[in-house]
Amino acid sequence: GESVGLHLPTLSVQEGDNSIINCAYSNSASDYFIWYKQESGKGPQFIIDIRSNMDKRQGQRVTVLLNKTVKHLSLQIAATQPGDSAVYFCAENWGDTGRRALTFGSGTRLQVQP
Amino acid sequence: DTEVTQTPKHLVMGMTNKKSLKCEQHMGHRAMYWYKQKAKKPPELMFVYSYEKLSINESVPSRFSPECPNSSLLNLHLHALQPEDSALYLCASSQEPQGAEAFFGQGTRLTVV
Repeated sequence: GESVGLHLPTLSVQEGDNSIINCAYSNSASDYFIWYKQESGKGPQFIIDIRSNMDKRQGQRVTVLLNKTVKHLSLQIAATQPGDSAVYFCAENWGDTGRRALTFGSGTRLQVQP
Repeated sequence: DTEVTQTPKHLVMGMTNKKSLKCEQHMGHRAMYWYKQKAKKPPELMFVYSYEKLSINESVPSRFSPECPNSSLLNLHLHALQPEDSALYLCASSQEPQGAEAFFGQGTRLTVV
């Protein structure tokens, strides 16, 4: 999802369900992507990354899918838990050597209902 | 040690004050970053240091002055800030100057009064 104005898009799921968070990235030259989780009052925490030569990568309970054709990234969380409640950001990376940095997407708030 | 440490955690300053934010990492990372984050918004890149040299300045006003004294430390000097500069300031570091897996600190919550 994409944020509009001051409101973060929110995904509300039941505990134990699977969650899918979507992200549209902006730059077709981006070659590295990261999903971050940010809890209230904390800095972003790395979840999983993927390089542009892949279309899927799995971690523990998380999977990232990359569709370069439509510049779309998704994060799937299996068996969502209350501790997964947070804001999730995708970030893309591009640039020349020594001049690269991450640019963040708008973010999605995940609320897990017990 | 996979930690990026930022001090102070909270800072309130007047518009005529001069203050500094500090960031430290001991992971051997040679790229360090400052981001600014407003409420309900994503982090926005301000500065990138690569091997202690400023490599990216995202058109940040001169009232923000970064400094990288050595490979482990990153400072952000603040002077004559405006209330709209109130935000969470995040420091990050990564293993190479490629913006690869960046580790973030907990941030400094800055309020300008």
